[in-house]
Amino acid sequence: QQQVKQSPQSLIVQKGGISIINCAYENTAFDYFPWYQQFPGKGPALLIAIRPDVSEKKEGRFTISFNKSAKQFSLHIMDSQPGDSATYFCAASKGNAGKSTFGDGTTLTVKP
Amino acid sequence: DAMVIQNPRYQVTQFGKPVTLSCSQTLNHNVMYWYQQKSSQAPKLLFHYYDKDFNNEADTPDNFQSRRPNTSFCFLDIRSPGLGDAAMYLCATSGRDYGFNEQFFGPGTRLTVL
Repeated sequence: QQQVKQSPQSLIVQKGGISIINCAYENTAFDYFPWYQQFPGKGPALLIAIRPDVSEKKEGRFTISFNKSAKQFSLHIMDSQPGDSATYFCAASKGNAGKSTFGDGTTLTVKP
Repeated sequence: DAMVIQNPRYQVTQFGKPVTLSCSQTLNHNVMYWYQQKSSQAPKLLFHYYDKDFNNEADTPDNFQSRRPNTSFCFLDIRSPGLGDAAMYLCATSGRDYGFNEQFFGPGTRLTVL
């Protein structure tokens, strides 16, 4: 049973466009929802994260939208740049265990 | 800079030949994790340590073992690597300062099994 489902698997966006990646979760006990960015040959790095007590969090060009009732959250990248080309993973965890369940990843390509 | 370091970055071993991957951290975090990541897939948690307390995921093969001799170091031992164990192995840490939720990943060790 996959607890975090991510879509799309791959995404191609023109420079300056908006990239949107979606995730859905099943376990209502999850209380921390991070997005990780991974470049080829590197480990994932935390990009932005949200807790379910807010519906949106923005950091620079990156925004998480969170819909608790639908059990969905999404990453929006505004003014997408070629340097944003990477694989993005959503994840979810509960409590203070820190153990994260990852989505399958989205490979984003931003064309110049 | 505080960081998570993994050695070696690339490891080639032969089918069935034991191999050890190492991870060290300067973040002084309580929790350390080992993940396996195969090509184009999500990281899959193998183990984690909360201090010295070892936690094994239910579906982690017996072929994989881990040691954490102190706060800073953690090792992943693969006793008899098979072709299916070829993957990127990621070490990560988390600490109380970040509520144990934010994980800091190392650059990974890419394991090739011949």
